[in-house]
Amino acid sequence: GENVEQHPSTLSVQEGDSAVIKCTYSDSASNYFPWYKQELGKGPQLIIDIRSNVGEKKDQRIAVTLNKTAKHFSLHITETQPEDSAVYFCAASMNSGYALNFGKGTSLLVTP
Amino acid sequence: EAGVTQFPSHSVIEKGQTVTLRCDPISGHDNLYWYRRVMGKEIKFLLHFVKESKQDESGMPNNRFLAERTGGTYSTLKVQPAELEDSGVYFCASSQLEDSQETQYFGPGTRLLVL
Repeated sequence: GENVEQHPSTLSVQEGDSAVIKCTYSDSASNYFPWYKQELGKGPQLIIDIRSNVGEKKDQRIAVTLNKTAKHFSLHITETQPEDSAVYFCAASMNSGYALNFGKGTSLLVTP
Repeated sequence: EAGVTQFPSHSVIEKGQTVTLRCDPISGHDNLYWYRRVMGKEIKFLLHFVKESKQDESGMPNNRFLAERTGGTYSTLKVQPAELEDSGVYFCASSQLEDSQETQYFGPGTRLLVL
């Protein structure tokens, strides 16, 4: 089955700096890669996703890059703010209508 | 539009007892997923319903877990009898296919502690 590795497990940055979280996956059949943000006491919220026909996608301060050859994808957050502090999960899936395979999560702390 | 809701938010039970978790998906969503996160580990898939049918239950850990989705609306996940290792956060997610693509929307989770 699919195995998703996520690094780092914890990340601390100063407000205004950039944060990068990296994930690798094992199943070349995976073609959908969402990123979820989980705040304390809440469920995971989708923040951005990318499909295998695209190499990069951006939404304001958040961007995701995908390298299908190397089987890795990354989340980039620029100009970080304290409210970006949360646990971020990457996931991989074969297609729509299939289970998401998650990484172990990255706890991001943005200090003022 | 209301999001995915789950009940209860927390449950503390003793080993050997029974617990039933409920998930109400976003109205009109045919797909309903159950996931679980055990402390410090990744969120793991349990099973997937399409309407009232079980599409994939390959993630169910053992026969102490029973999921139902009668009528294709809300779903329940029953653990009987509960064991210590069942402790964790149980998430439900729902989605609807549009143009062959879907986004899974997660509920807030049920935090289960088995003592």
